Amino acid sequence: LAKTTQPISMDSYEGQEVNITCSHNNIATNDYITWYQQFPSQGPRFIIQGYKTKVTNEVASLFIPADRKSSTLSLPRVSLSDTAVYYCLVGDFLNTGGFKTIFGAGTRLFVKA
Amino acid sequence: ETGVTQSPTHLIKTRGQQVTLRCSSQSGHNTVSWYQQALGQGPQFIFQYYREEENGRGNFPPRFSGLQFPNYSSELNVNALELDDSALYLCASSLVSEGYNEQFFGPGTRLTVL
Repeated sequence: LAKTTQPISMDSYEGQEVNITCSHNNIATNDYITWYQQFPSQGPRFIIQGYKTKVTNEVASLFIPADRKSSTLSLPRVSLSDTAVYYCLVGDFLNTGGFKTIFGAGTRLFVKA
Repeated sequence: ETGVTQSPTHLIKTRGQQVTLRCSSQSGHNTVSWYQQALGQGPQFIFQYYREEENGRGNFPPRFSGLQFPNYSSELNVNALELDDSALYLCASSLVSEGYNEQFFGPGTRLTVL
């Protein structure tokens, strides 16, 4: 099962673009990459998921290089309310051989005014 | 709001006791996963249930067990509680389909073992 490595913390200012990179060197062929956001005393909230190349939704973009050994979550124009912990997650969401997944330690993003 | 509810919100137990935590999945979801999150750490995967059968398990001992019911509600049971079991327990429901699996998390149950 692929282990993920992320920066422990990042600081940014309102209105800036924030890029958080996650390393997952041992990602398996069937693994998808998912990012979650978590506020204190709440459960994680889904941000975006992808398998390869680039995925974009209304809140973020996910960039995955061809070798899939890393991924980058891009948050455009962050605001104070984006201050949270961001988790990179890899898992076999096709449930081949039983579901397993690992959350990393997360990246604590602090957005300043 | 994700539509996933958990009960109770908080719970205090003593070492050696048993505890049952409950989760009600989002309507239409066929899969529920349970996670343990210690303070300051990321969630750790305990197990997943798919259509009432265990479908994957993390590195947790057998005293952690679960059930999923036909209405897709779920229970997490922990026997012989230890101090290190103190954590936030999260359940997440999802509708598994090829290539996409968004998990919807509940607010969690905060368990304190004294």
